[in-house]
Amino acid sequence: DTEVTQTPKHLVMGMTNKKSLKCEQHMGHRAMYWYKQKAKKPPELMFVYSYEKLSINESVPSRFSPECPNSSLLNLHLHALQPEDSALYLCASSQGRAGILFFGPGTRLTVL
Amino acid sequence: GQNIDQPTEMTATEGAIVQINCTYQTSGFNGLFWYQQHAGEAPTFLSYNVLDGLEEKGRFSSFLSRSKGYSYLLLKELQMKDSASYLCAVRTPNNNAGNMLTFGGGTRLMVKP
Repeated sequence: DTEVTQTPKHLVMGMTNKKSLKCEQHMGHRAMYWYKQKAKKPPELMFVYSYEKLSINESVPSRFSPECPNSSLLNLHLHALQPEDSALYLCASSQGRAGILFFGPGTRLTVL
Repeated sequence: GQNIDQPTEMTATEGAIVQINCTYQTSGFNGLFWYQQHAGEAPTFLSYNVLDGLEEKGRFSSFLSRSKGYSYLLLKELQMKDSASYLCAVRTPNNNAGNMLTFGGGTRLMVKP
């Protein structure tokens, strides 16, 4: 298995909703990442987990809450989002922190 | 801070060769990556350079000069499906996580018949 999967593919939510994005990989990678990408912009790093511990939080607002339940799974919990949070949310994994990043297909999030 | 520059857009003809340049000024350097991203899809890995020189992989080649802070991606025998954004990304040391990847703005390549 050489892919990163993400669910859901699309998500529409109101500003008062609570939702979660899910990411899974079975490549034995020990580093996992959340990136946010706005249209026609490059991906921006949000969080890095290394060996299931949060190692980077790029000053992301607390309405985004990451969770790494085990080495294969990564979640992003969303609460009280703003319309400007609408974007493509990409999960990625790498073999340690020196490896190539493999990206999942992303979740297209729209906040109304 | 990290500064990674690429042209915003390029146009080329099917069957031709195109070179996409990337210059960088970063705090440290642990490798340079090129990714391809079709509209609405995730980035896919194309190539990786950590030492100076040329890396060739089929129709795609990538070159790195660390002393000049410069890389290019060369695409040969262009096909219509090569129309996509090409992202240059630099890996830099990070105290907390060992390394982190910073992306340039991306170059949107349009291949015309």
